Amino acid sequence: EAGVVQSPRYKIIEKKQPVAFWCNPISGHNTLYWYLQNLGQGPELLIRYENEEAVDDSQLPKDRFSAERLKGVDSTLKIQPAELGDSAVYLCASSYRGLAGNTGELFFGEGSRLTVL
Amino acid sequence: AQSVTQLDSQVPVFEEAPVELRCNYSSSVSVYLFWYVQYPNQGLQLLLKYLSGSTLVKGINGFEAEFNKSQTSFHLRKPSVHISDTAEYFCAVSDPGSSASKIIFGSGTRLSIRP
Repeated sequence: EAGVVQSPRYKIIEKKQPVAFWCNPISGHNTLYWYLQNLGQGPELLIRYENEEAVDDSQLPKDRFSAERLKGVDSTLKIQPAELGDSAVYLCASSYRGLAGNTGELFFGEGSRLTVL
Repeated sequence: AQSVTQLDSQVPVFEEAPVELRCNYSSSVSVYLFWYVQYPNQGLQLLLKYLSGSTLVKGINGFEAEFNKSQTSFHLRKPSVHISDTAEYFCAVSDPGSSASKIIFGSGTRLSIRP
């Protein structure tokens, strides 16, 4: 079974340029997460989707960040324009939330490392 | 809101020695607790989890953790470490129920194994 797939793995851009990250979750997983991981830090939640609905985007800087999960499967995270402080690893994760709730096991992709110059 | 504290940012140990990585969480009526491991240039993967029942939880690669409600701790242990255990370890917490999908991570502990 394929895991969570993210692309690109690495991206280097100039500040003020746009950038987009793509995530394909594990088949059948209805919950999708985007996390931000700074060097030496733990993942911080940016946005959480239940199917195609963004149920928690309180930590997403909406002035420059946007995300979508059309059809409740793949997801795209966009930054426009990028700033120097956006340099980090962007992690996508998925899980299955059933009627009994979520047991908390997240399956992570390998991440997309962004460098803003 | 839940929070997690990992007091040790780095833990160096010799190969075959025992190790304990500490994790404390903010108190709540009930919690789900997790340990994730991140190898270099990889995503995180689940080591073990506590949802309910026995307070001693066994995970992959010989790791185990003990849920201590009175001390609000969930320390990770391994009796004998191997070079391949070199990685970053993250403790995480979530509230059971409707918000169980929101998982909060600690800042991580880097485990380095010396031969």
